[in-house]
Amino acid sequence: KAGVTQTPRYLIKTRGQQVTLSCSPISGHRSVSWYQQTPGQGLQFLFEYFSETQRNKGNFPGRFSGRQFSNSRSEMNVSTLELGDSALYLCASSLDGGDTEAFFGQGTRLTVV
Amino acid sequence: AQSVAQPEDQVNVAEGNPLTVKCTYSVSGNPYLFWYVQYPNRGLQFLLKYITGDNLVKGSYGFEAEFNKSQTSFHLKKPSALVSDSALYFCAVRTGGGSQGNLIFGKGTKLSVKP
Repeated sequence: KAGVTQTPRYLIKTRGQQVTLSCSPISGHRSVSWYQQTPGQGLQFLFEYFSETQRNKGNFPGRFSGRQFSNSRSEMNVSTLELGDSALYLCASSLDGGDTEAFFGQGTRLTVV
Repeated sequence: AQSVAQPEDQVNVAEGNPLTVKCTYSVSGNPYLFWYVQYPNRGLQFLLKYITGDNLVKGSYGFEAEFNKSQTSFHLKKPSALVSDSALYFCAVRTGGGSQGNLIFGKGTKLSVKP
């Protein structure tokens, strides 16, 4: 069974640009969550999508957005990039949240210069 | 509001000795509790979870965790540490009882096992 796949693995962007990250969940998983990981703040929840609907949202500005497609694949977009957006972005999929464990991708390392 | 605390930034253990990584939580309702491990430049790997039932939960790689409702704790343990256990460990909580709340993670504890 293939795991969670995130693309690209590494990105370098300039301030003010926008970026789109992609996540392909494990087959059959309908819940996809996104996290931002930084040394100072740890793992911070961005949002969760379930069956193409945003089910939960963290405390991030509107520059951070996402969507989920009918095949459960998800994308997150960050517009008007800031230096502080440099982080490891992790995607996690699970069957339906709740008591089911989440499986994480290897992450996308975003560097904003 | 849900929260998870991992009071130790780092835990140092000698190989062969028992290890404990501490976690306390605060939620309304019944908690769903999880432990994950992260190796350098990798995503998180699931270790074990507590949903209901027996307070002692066994997971991957010989790890186990004990749920203590009165102390609101879910400490991760292993009877005999290996050098390869050195990694970053995260405790996480999601409100149970059918809720679909998101996973909240602790700050992480770096485990260092010396030969």
